[in-house]
Amino acid sequence: QQQVKQSPQSLIVQKGGISIINCAYENTAFDYFPWYQQFPGKGPALLIAIRPDVSEKKEGRFTISFNKSAKQFSLHIMDSQPGDSATYFCAASTLLFGSARQLTFGSGTQLTVLP
Amino acid sequence: GAGVSQSPSNKVTEKGKDVELRCDPISGHTALYWYRQSLGQGLEFLIYFQGNSAPDKSGLPSDRFSAERTGGSVSTLTIQRTQQEDSAVYLCASSFSSREGKQFFGPGTRLTVL
Repeated sequence: QQQVKQSPQSLIVQKGGISIINCAYENTAFDYFPWYQQFPGKGPALLIAIRPDVSEKKEGRFTISFNKSAKQFSLHIMDSQPGDSATYFCAASTLLFGSARQLTFGSGTQLTVLP
Repeated sequence: GAGVSQSPSNKVTEKGKDVELRCDPISGHTALYWYRQSLGQGLEFLIYFQGNSAPDKSGLPSDRFSAERTGGSVSTLTIQRTQQEDSAVYLCASSFSSREGKQFFGPGTRLTVL
């Protein structure tokens, strides 16, 4: 059972445009929602994250919008640049044991920003 | 400071052989995680360690997979009698004690089973 659904699978945006990636979750026990950026041959890197008591978080050109009632959240990349071309994963986190947390990932979105 | 490191970066092995993948977490991080990423796929959670303890091994794909962590630091993921379906990138992540437990990933080990 896929607990975090991500769309679209791929996205092509012109330089300067807005990239929007959407995720939906089912498990209400999730209490932390990070986004990861992954370049080919590299491990995922934490980009931005949000807790469910906040509806929006902005860091530079990256914004997460969170809708707790709809169990949906999205990543907006403003003024998209060719260097943003990468695969983006949304994730949802639950507490495991001690301080350990389990991340459940979406299936990923391959973003291409055209120059 | 140094991030999470993994070795080897690439491993090619023959079907039926055993392999060991190593992870060095960020110093001071108490939790360590292993994930598997198959070609073009998302990340599959395998196992985690809180200190040296792995409370839940149910995410391991089969009994050919095992993992250990010693000294609260280095971890080894071992795959016995490798199969072609084990081919994937194996990622390690670590986190420190915090409310969010932000996970920082290593570069991964690309395993190819011929």
